[in-house]
Amino acid sequence: DAGITQSPRHKVTETGTPVTLRCHQTENHRYMYWYRQDPGHGLRLIHYSYGVKDTDKGEVSDGYSVSRSKTEDFLLTLESATSSQTSVYFCAISFEGLTGSEQYFGPGTRLTVT
Amino acid sequence: DAKTTQPNSMESNEEEPVHLPCNHSTISGTDYIHWYRQLPSQGPEYVIHGLTSNVNNRMASLAIAEDRKSSTLILHRATLRDAAVYYCISSNSGNTPLVFGKGTRLSVIA
Repeated sequence: DAGITQSPRHKVTETGTPVTLRCHQTENHRYMYWYRQDPGHGLRLIHYSYGVKDTDKGEVSDGYSVSRSKTEDFLLTLESATSSQTSVYFCAISFEGLTGSEQYFGPGTRLTVT
Repeated sequence: DAKTTQPNSMESNEEEPVHLPCNHSTISGTDYIHWYRQLPSQGPEYVIHGLTSNVNNRMASLAIAEDRKSSTLILHRATLRDAAVYYCISSNSGNTPLVFGKGTRLSVIA
């Protein structure tokens, strides 16, 4: 298994509070991704990173920000959590370009916003 | 939106081959075809990918039509552990991230 961990694995928070999810890899892969998965929508890309301090938006980036200060960590922040952000969040990594190599996914973080 | 079309669900008997179809009629000449699967309560898992030629690995085979407008993921002998959602994705040659659709939910019957 690719060395990807996500923390926390489960979190319950209240509307309006900030939340940060962490993705950590031990593979030294350049590319990292954050997805969310909701019933009826499949996996949707939130943000991705193609290097330290290099990030870009995905298809559902509103309400989320990311940071990558070192290769191994990619943080996803919900500045002010809303109930619509209740979801399962997956981190992924890939070695080569965005579409040129396989992605490896973490175990997911289940976030509930009450 | 994903540029592929897959059946919502399929069913297979255990120990029989499974052919999961995917249509990607708007694929361009440099787009790869990727397959991932997601087992219950887990993150997606890479299965296979290819460009033009058929591909084989320890998990599955990928058969790509000559015109590349469709492909088929072949599981040679389905097991109960293969029950999952299978995603077919055609990548954008402009080097943008993969876009996952809703996939095909495969049920395997003992």
